[in-house]
Amino acid sequence: EADIYQTPRYLVIGTGKKITLECSQTMGHDKMYWYQQDPGMELHLIHYSYGVNSTEKGDLSSESTVSRIRTEHFPLTLESARPSHTSQYLCASSAYQNTGELFFGEGSRLTVL
Amino acid sequence: SQQGEEDPQALSIQEGENATMNCSYKTSINNLQWYRQNSGRGLVHLILIRSNEREKHSGRLRVTLDTSKKSSSLLITASRAADTASYFCALTRNSGNTPLVFGKGTRLSVIA
Repeated sequence: EADIYQTPRYLVIGTGKKITLECSQTMGHDKMYWYQQDPGMELHLIHYSYGVNSTEKGDLSSESTVSRIRTEHFPLTLESARPSHTSQYLCASSAYQNTGELFFGEGSRLTVL
Repeated sequence: SQQGEEDPQALSIQEGENATMNCSYKTSINNLQWYRQNSGRGLVHLILIRSNEREKHSGRLRVTLDTSKKSSSLLITASRAADTASYFCALTRNSGNTPLVFGKGTRLSVIA
């Protein structure tokens, strides 16, 4: 079982609120990722990090921001949530030297009213 | 497209039957992986096959890779109701240290 945790699992908030989705892993992985997934649809990479103080934008443009101050922690922040941000957000990690196998958290399902 | 494309999009079978899902891609790859996702949950890694391998087995799973046709297949034998999930292929490209790119997935329903 993967040691990667996401909180909250479910969040319902109003438009304009600032939210932070937390993601932590205890495996010492250098690489961490955020994917966005609408129900029954594909995953879109929105942010990734290959180490502390390193962050990159993914293939899908996102208004969210991320930070990587500690190896184990990769939070995602939305400064002003909108209904278009309603989605599931999946955090994942992998070891730098491995072949790319990802370990996923259970996801955070965000609903913006 | 740099992602894999799974086929079929949805598959419904009876318990005990075999399920076959396919993934086609267009880029050169380092390896190809298959993941499973239960409804509303995160993805779980199933199996990885490297570009120099043709077939791998893991329990009831069999994965094949044909790099000349740029395609892979995932076979689940003797399916169970608990196999009901979405299955995704994901590519690690040859171009270097780049993140995995996922396809749209195949939704498998196994009817008891």
